Amino acid sequence: RKEVEQDPGPFNVPEGATVAFNCTYSNSASQSFFWYRQDCRKEPKLLMSVYSSGNEDGRFTAQLNRASQYISLLIRDSKLSDSATYLCVVNRPFTGGGNKLTFGTGTQLKVEL
Amino acid sequence: DTGVSQDPRHKITKRGQNVTFRCDPISEHNRLYWYRQTLGQGPEFLTYFQNEAQLEKSRLLSDRFSAERPKGSFSTLEIQRTEQGDSAMYLCASSEQGSRHMETQYFGPGTRLLVL
Repeated sequence: RKEVEQDPGPFNVPEGATVAFNCTYSNSASQSFFWYRQDCRKEPKLLMSVYSSGNEDGRFTAQLNRASQYISLLIRDSKLSDSATYLCVVNRPFTGGGNKLTFGTGTQLKVEL
Repeated sequence: DTGVSQDPRHKITKRGQNVTFRCDPISEHNRLYWYRQTLGQGPEFLTYFQNEAQLEKSRLLSDRFSAERPKGSFSTLEIQRTEQGDSAMYLCASSEQGSRHMETQYFGPGTRLLVL
């Protein structure tokens, strides 16, 4: 079983739609959680961190359920520019410092006119 | 542009050849990571440096792979006797030592390797 599991999609949605991505992780020692965005043939970029209390950044809302080991990302009023792959990421600190990021396979989003 | 640079951006090589990639992190960042990403997958951790010390290595990093960060600034990743399975994008990330698990890793543009 993969440590971080995501539905690979693609999710094809019309502009203005609301879309939700889900992710589960298996290692309960994971300490922190993120969503990264990756455009085609580009590097991953941090979209937002995810907190147990839930957090919102404009049209984006992220939620974490530690008991269920479940992470979600909601995108409201989707734009053409939101088309990308969204990577669910969990972090475990190394004992001696530093942090290991474990990525899901990513969920591809295509926003259409 | 996050400020992490990698060179070369693309590399085509024949099986059995050695290749070396370079990463220049953001200047004030003392932590440097290498990841590998194959098509349809997320990046996978390879190794981690704090300053010049290589503190963590993944089991993915076979003995054909070696990484260095001699002066605690730029880093190199060398692959000896390349195999077709080494074809991937090699990503470098850097971060500033901060709170234990909320540091942000900033990724470079990657080096795309194709082994023929």
